[in-house]
Amino acid sequence: SYELTQPPSVSVSPGQTARITCSGDALPKQYAYWYQQKPGQAPVLVIYKDSERPSGIPERFSGSSSGTTVTLTISGVQAEDEANYYCQSADSSSTSYVVFGGGTKLTVL
Amino acid sequence: QMQLVESGGGLVKPGGSLRLSCAASGFTFNDYYMSWIRQAPGKGLEWVSYISISGNYTNYADSMKGRFTISRDNAKNSLYLQMNSLRAEDTAVYYCARADLRGGDPYFDSWGQGTLVTVSS
Repeated sequence: SYELTQPPSVSVSPGQTARITCSGDALPKQYAYWYQQKPGQAPVLVIYKDSERPSGIPERFSGSSSGTTVTLTISGVQAEDEANYYCQSADSSSTSYVVFGGGTKLTVL
Repeated sequence: QMQLVESGGGLVKPGGSLRLSCAASGFTFNDYYMSWIRQAPGKGLEWVSYISISGNYTNYADSMKGRFTISRDNAKNSLYLQMNSLRAEDTAVYYCARADLRGGDPYFDSWGQGTLVTVSS
């Protein structure tokens, strides 16, 4: 089955830039989506179609794509950005059409 | 203000059944696909299923095929998940989510707060 691979953890100091990657063989031809999940809360969509930002999401959140890797970038990280981040994509040739990455814990030092 | 509220979770024995519900409000329910996504305790997100606007088309993750059935009642603005032959590994928080497929593949732009399903003897 199709897999998306994320680093388990990323740490940055406040004000720095955090980059969270997500790798998958189908990403060159499929969009990626990113969700933020804080403890005890439901996930929130922060990036869709690789780089689009939903209304209400701060401009410091951005997304990019290059080959088999997509990247969520958080510029000027704030303490409130500490959360788990999940990438998601789809692959119609896979037995499970919708796939999530394993998640990355962002720690703000 | 759009809202998704899940209900129906609880403790069930292995091999048992449970029906989850999701009440939608604040948006035109019959304009959207809908989905269930789950999260085992301390683990990541796992897509379960989605259903088309009319309810005529459904899709399931491999491990749920044949055991889970997604359905909807557009007159009641409600989404359902019938879960049969439950296993310990089905223990999770189950989220109801609104799905957007305008780009071709689904993503989930709004989520409920989830309902906990515990499968244990």
